[in-house]
Amino acid sequence: QQQVKQSPQSLIVQKGGISIINCAYENTAFDYFPWYQQFPGKGPALLIAIRPDVSEKKEGRFTISFNKSAKQFSLHIMDSQPGDSATYFCAASISGNTPLVFGKGTRLSVIA
Amino acid sequence: NAGVTQTPKFQVLKTGQSMTLQCAQDMNHEYMSWYRQDPGMGLRLIHYSVGAGITDQGEVPNGYNVSRSTTEDFPLRLLSAAPSQTSVYFCASSYSRGREQYFGPGTRLTVT
Repeated sequence: QQQVKQSPQSLIVQKGGISIINCAYENTAFDYFPWYQQFPGKGPALLIAIRPDVSEKKEGRFTISFNKSAKQFSLHIMDSQPGDSATYFCAASISGNTPLVFGKGTRLSVIA
Repeated sequence: NAGVTQTPKFQVLKTGQSMTLQCAQDMNHEYMSWYRQDPGMGLRLIHYSVGAGITDQGEVPNGYNVSRSTTEDFPLRLLSAAPSQTSVYFCASSYSRGREQYFGPGTRLTVT
């Protein structure tokens, strides 16, 4: 049973456009929702994270939108740049209690 | 701080051989974990540890063994390598389970 479903699997966006990656979860006890960014040949690194008491969190060009009733959260990358080309993973956990569960990842390519 | 380090970076094994993937962290994190990453499968948890002397199984533990004798080190042992264990392995550490994880650079393992 996949606890976190991520879509799309791959995404191609023009430079300057908006990249949107979606995740859906099943466990309503999850209270920590991070996004990780992974460049080829490197380990994943935390990009941004949100807790369910807020509906949106923004850090620079990266925004997480959170919809608790729909059990969905998404990553928006504004003004996408070729340097944003990477694989993005969403994840979820019960903070301090359960290990992170990851989505299957989205390979983003930003083309000039 | 070196963060999370993993050795070796690359390894080729023959079916049936055993080996140990090394992982160390210098951040005094209590929680450490091992993931494998396969195309289209995301990051799958193999084993994790919440402190020295305490380990537990993740989603895909079969064929792997772990121990945690110190806070810093968390080696992953392949008992009898199989081609299905060909993958990229990541070690990660965190202050606690389900919180921000810091990933190592990975070990690419090929089993022939």
